[in-house]
Order: sequence, then structure tokens, then C-alpha cells
Amino acid sequence: DVKVTQSSRYLVKRTGEKVFLECVQDMDHENMFWYRQDPGLGLRLIYFSYDVKMKEKGDIPEGYSVSREKKERFSLILESASTNQTSMYLCASSSPMGPPSTGELFFGEGSRLTVL
Amino acid sequence: AQSVAQPEDQVNVAEGNPLTVKCTYSVSGNPYLFWYVQYPNRGLQFLLKYITGDNLVKGSYGFEAEFNKSQTSFHLKKPSALVSDSALYFCAVSPGGTGRRALTFGSGTRLQVQP
Repeated sequence: DVKVTQSSRYLVKRTGEKVFLECVQDMDHENMFWYRQDPGLGLRLIYFSYDVKMKEKGDIPEGYSVSREKKERFSLILESASTNQTSMYLCASSSPMGPPSTGELFFGEGSRLTVL
Repeated sequence: AQSVAQPEDQVNVAEGNPLTVKCTYSVSGNPYLFWYVQYPNRGLQFLLKYITGDNLVKGSYGFEAEFNKSQTSFHLKKPSALVSDSALYFCAVSPGGTGRRALTFGSGTRLQVQP
């Protein structure tokens, strides 16, 4: 069964702490994504990566960075966590857009981060 | 830039009745359109997609969606709702063709099916 695994389901951190969210996929997908989900706002794209060591900013990259050292792993980093980063974080992967792929995303279970 | 609108925060329907969850989109060129479902405390699960061809698309769990290019809509439908369909539903869009693009999601619609 194909899988996207996020290392932590629930995290509680303090303001100013550095936070790492890890995501691993076993589908050999080139593309990986980090979204943030907030009530009433849906999913908003933070960063995505279309190849190892490559990254592109999404709609809300401020306060975040990412790392992709291996094809299967995509990490989201909060350099100095703030309370407005309390949210559900969703990792996803996909094949590149273009036949036969249609860019369908496969999601992990999510990481719920609370920053106090 | 692409965008998706889901005008209803919540849809309530009685079990056995038909349901519709609305979605409209804006994108350059021909769209790729998707519906995802999210159950409590879970990630998103793919339901169905429109890429090209027949405007009526059938997906998982008896859901279907109709692509209407003139109205730029992609409404999700099911002929007979089940209590187990209660969940959060997201519509998403991407420009068609090739390229390095991510999906843009709507704000979500909570479907509540009453017994």
C-alpha cells in the first residue's frame, strides 16, 4: 500500500523553539509538498519540491524553510516557532504533472502543531 | 493565479437524499480538477478527478462530479447520501498540461448527513 508518513501526529512547542516536521514517501514520487490547514481557510501551500535539493515557495512561505536531501524525504522547518504557526500541517507527494500523471496528490495523516 | 471557491461552509442533508457540494474555479487554460475528502483527524483522501473527456466523472464511494466549462464549476454529487459520508470535502484545481505546479485548494465544505 502506498504511503506518505509524517513522523509526528501531535507536537507541542514553545514560542521561539526550532521545529522539524518530517515526511517520508515510499512511492518514488518526484514532487513533494507541505500544506497548512486552518479552519475556514482550507489548505494553503507553504513550499514544494520537484527534485532533490530543489524547492519552490508556495503561497505562505514566510517563517518556514524546507529541506530535501533525499528523494523520499521532505522536511519542514520552523526556525523560531510563533503562536500563529499553530496549525495542522499536511505533507503530500505526487508524480510530475504530465501524461500519464495528472498530478494527483497523496497525503500523509497530518501533524497537529501547537505553539504555546 | 488559480483559485477555488466553495461557497458553502456546511451542507446538511438527510440520509437517502441526493447531495451536492458546490465548487467553482478560476485557472488559465484547461483545468485539472479534483475532489478530496477528509475524515476527522486524518489526511486527505482522493475521491475523483477531471482531466479531459466526459464531463461527468465517477469516483470512489458512489460520488460523481460534473465539469461545466461555461460556468467554471465542478460540483460534487451523490444520488443517495449515507451517514458515513459526513466529512470535510475539498475541491482543488491545477492548470492542465505539464509543468511544476501545485494544486490550489478551496476552503472546504463540511457535509453533515442526518439519519
